[in-house]
Amino acid sequence: GAGVSQSPSNKVTEKGKDVELRCDPISGHTALYWYRQSLGQGLEFLIYFQGNSAPDKSGLPSDRFSAERTGGSVSTLTIQRTQQEDSAVYLCASSSNRGPWETQYFGPGTRLLVL
Amino acid sequence: DAKTTQPNSMESNEEEPVHLPCNHSTISGTDYIHWYRQLPSQGPEYVIHGLTSNVNNRMASLAIAEDRKSSTLILHRATLRDAAVYYCILRDVINAGSARQLTFGSGTQLTVLP
Repeated sequence: GAGVSQSPSNKVTEKGKDVELRCDPISGHTALYWYRQSLGQGLEFLIYFQGNSAPDKSGLPSDRFSAERTGGSVSTLTIQRTQQEDSAVYLCASSSNRGPWETQYFGPGTRLLVL
Repeated sequence: DAKTTQPNSMESNEEEPVHLPCNHSTISGTDYIHWYRQLPSQGPEYVIHGLTSNVNNRMASLAIAEDRKSSTLILHRATLRDAAVYYCILRDVINAGSARQLTFGSGTQLTVLP
């Protein structure tokens, strides 16, 4: 079946502009995660959505970052007034969240470059 | 989640077995051991998980020490496609509350030589 998809694949923007990154999770998955991976760095958790519960925003690095998930499916990560340090690969993952062995399925990522 | 320690890099010859070690001396009784890998320019993908017993699936085997303070991911016949960063992650989902995210360390970069 279809996996997690993300768009755009690549995004180049100028410092100070806003960007929106989209994630389409696997159908039926109630949990959705955003991570980012800076060049040569490990994956860093950003935000987690679970069903209709309030999202866990504990990983968002600043108030310039926000995310929403509409209808329990598609999610959009928005970065306002982008800075060069925001350049990274932004990864989305979804899971069925059925137990302690839950598997997260990752999308291919969006590569963001802020000039 | 408890901390894991992995070698930064390992090499293997194609079609030979590979044993990727992970130390987790502070593992708790409710921590599951998960392995993910990240191929170049791709998102991470699940490989295998276990709690106490050794596990096998189509991708790999997971050998867990009796005291659970270490584990080894085994690729029975490495292929060039197995070249990736392998992450060993402990997940205490039972006690994690709302914190369900994966915590990735630096992982092991596996190079497969033809």
